[in-house]
Amino acid sequence: AQSVAQPEDQVNVAEGNPLTVKCTYSVSGNPYLFWYVQYPNRGLQFLLKYITGDNLVKGSYGFEAEFNKSQTSFHLKKPSALVSDSALYFCAVNGRDDKIIFGKGTRLHILP
Amino acid sequence: DARVTQTPRHKVTEMGQEVTMRCQPILGHNTVFWYRQTMMQGLELLAYFRNRAPLDDSGMPKDRFSAEMPDATLATLKIQPSEPRDSAVYFCASGPEQGAFSVQETQYFGPGTRLLVL
Repeated sequence: AQSVAQPEDQVNVAEGNPLTVKCTYSVSGNPYLFWYVQYPNRGLQFLLKYITGDNLVKGSYGFEAEFNKSQTSFHLKKPSALVSDSALYFCAVNGRDDKIIFGKGTRLHILP
Repeated sequence: DARVTQTPRHKVTEMGQEVTMRCQPILGHNTVFWYRQTMMQGLELLAYFRNRAPLDDSGMPKDRFSAEMPDATLATLKIQPSEPRDSAVYFCASGPEQGAFSVQETQYFGPGTRLLVL
């Protein structure tokens, strides 16, 4: 069965510093991987996805994610954090059964 | 710009009452998902439709929850009778046209229905 894990409930980063939000996955076959962001009182918004090709995927708002097949990871990164990046971030995976599975989410706090 | 819409945005009801939540997927999308979000459980998939047919409702308590798609522009989630533990934010999401054997890609989420059962 496919699964996705976000090992950190919360990540605190100072504004201007690089940030990383971690995600590991388990799936049979080639994964489709996603990151979504949720701002307070809003639905989830698509941020970026990896389907195939270059392991470094660029998405909205300056975010990027690196697919690492050997480590089964898909960490979300940004070179310089903004206070407005503070939100709840979800990693998601889709294997073969056409259903996206979401992680539990990581709350990102950017400290001014 | 196309969006998933959900009504009502907020609902307060008493235990035992019926609750109906509605979702209008993005026009042309053929997959619809219902999720429940709570602080304790996070985001849980309740039901999943493709071309209006239910494909997976294993995450849904069958005795009180039901999900339907009367037509391509409307999905409903009903709780009868409601209980305090059903208090949560319920999200609907839709996804673009997929072939029979293709893999679901991006989902587009509605703003959610915040339900409080007293």
